[in-house]
Amino acid sequence: GNSVTQMEGPVTLSEEAFLTINCTYTATGYPSLFWYVQYPGEGLQLLLKATKADDKGSNKGFEATYRKETTSFHLEKGSVQVSDSAVYFCALSVPLRGSQGNLIFGKGTKLSVKP
Amino acid sequence: DSGVTQTPKHLITATGQRVTLRCSPRSGDLSVYWYQQSLDQGLQFLIQYYNGEERAKGNILERFSAQQFPDLHSELNLSSLELGDSALYFCASSVGGGPWGAGELFFGEGSRLTVL
Repeated sequence: GNSVTQMEGPVTLSEEAFLTINCTYTATGYPSLFWYVQYPGEGLQLLLKATKADDKGSNKGFEATYRKETTSFHLEKGSVQVSDSAVYFCALSVPLRGSQGNLIFGKGTKLSVKP
Repeated sequence: DSGVTQTPKHLITATGQRVTLRCSPRSGDLSVYWYQQSLDQGLQFLIQYYNGEERAKGNILERFSAQQFPDLHSELNLSSLELGDSALYFCASSVGGGPWGAGELFFGEGSRLTVL
């Protein structure tokens, strides 16, 4: 079946540190991959996405590259800020005929950035 | 602001009771999704409606039901509530959501249900 595995948190970093949150997936077909972010007390919002192999999604200094050979979509940021503290979810969507047409999420990784 | 509106934001009730959560999708979005977020289970997909029809079903209990109305708003009904149903319930919407996959989902701020 389709699934997403992401590194468990929490992850605690100092401001300006480099961030990597690992995400690997299992999917039939050709999935689209997403990173969503959930700030405290808010709903999830799309951070970036990639729809085919070797695509790089980027937004707000975050990047992730769709690696089909390693079935991975790791999230990176070169210099985190306190305002990046949130829970980050990796997700996939597989275009299939029939009943499955939703996002499958990983369990989320909580990031805390200290000043 | 995602454009997705959920009410109520907080709800406290007792075991055995029934509650209804409401969701208004973004203008123009045809699909509505319901997710349950709890500490131990993470974010679990419950059910999806597309233009009034049930499109996909996930880990939704038989005690739970949902529907999408002609104006595209949706309601999630939770009955015979148990302590374990305490969670944050998110609604999301998307333009598509037919056979070709969800694409980007826009989430509401959630309804926090506490069952005592």
